[in-house]
Amino acid sequence: GENVEQHPSTLSVQEGDSAVIKCTYSDSASNYFPWYKQELGKGPQLIIDIRSNVGEKKDQRIAVTLNKTAKHFSLHITETQPEDSAVYFCAALLNYGQNFVFGPGTRLSVLP
Amino acid sequence: DTGVSQNPRHKITKRGQNVTFRCDPISEHNRLYWYRQTLGQGPEFLTYFQNEAQLEKSRLLSDRFSAERPKGSFSTLEIQRTEQGDSAMYLCASSMGTGTSGYTFGSGTRLTVV
Repeated sequence: GENVEQHPSTLSVQEGDSAVIKCTYSDSASNYFPWYKQELGKGPQLIIDIRSNVGEKKDQRIAVTLNKTAKHFSLHITETQPEDSAVYFCAALLNYGQNFVFGPGTRLSVLP
Repeated sequence: DTGVSQNPRHKITKRGQNVTFRCDPISEHNRLYWYRQTLGQGPEFLTYFQNEAQLEKSRLLSDRFSAERPKGSFSTLEIQRTEQGDSAMYLCASSMGTGTSGYTFGSGTRLTVV
């Protein structure tokens, strides 16, 4: 089955700096990769996603890149703000699967 | 539509008791998923429904767990004879189709077994 690893587990950045979170997946059949943000006491919220036929996607301060050959994908947050502080999860969906496999999460702290 | 709704938000129960959680998905979503999340970990898949049919169950879903989705609308997750290891956040999500536009998660039910 699919296995998703995520690094780092914790990340602290100064407000205004960039943050990068990296994930690797094991099954080359995975074809959809969402990123979720989870704030304390809330469920995960989809913030950006990418499909396997695309190498990069950007939405304002957030971007995701995908390297299918290396089987890894990354989340990039620029100009970080205190409200970006949360736990971020990457996930992978097999093209024949019906559910996501999530990474273990990265706790991002943006220091003012 | 206010999104995916889960009740209760918190549940404390004694070991050995039965508990039931409810999830109301986004009304036009035909798929409903249950995940479990323990502290410091990502969500782990438990089971999912397409309309009223339960199509897949994870090995994590022991025989003490049962889920239903009558009439393809809301869903319930019941845990019988709870154990301390069942303490976790139980998340419900819904999607239209296969979820390749992402799931919408509820806020979860946090279960504490004492």
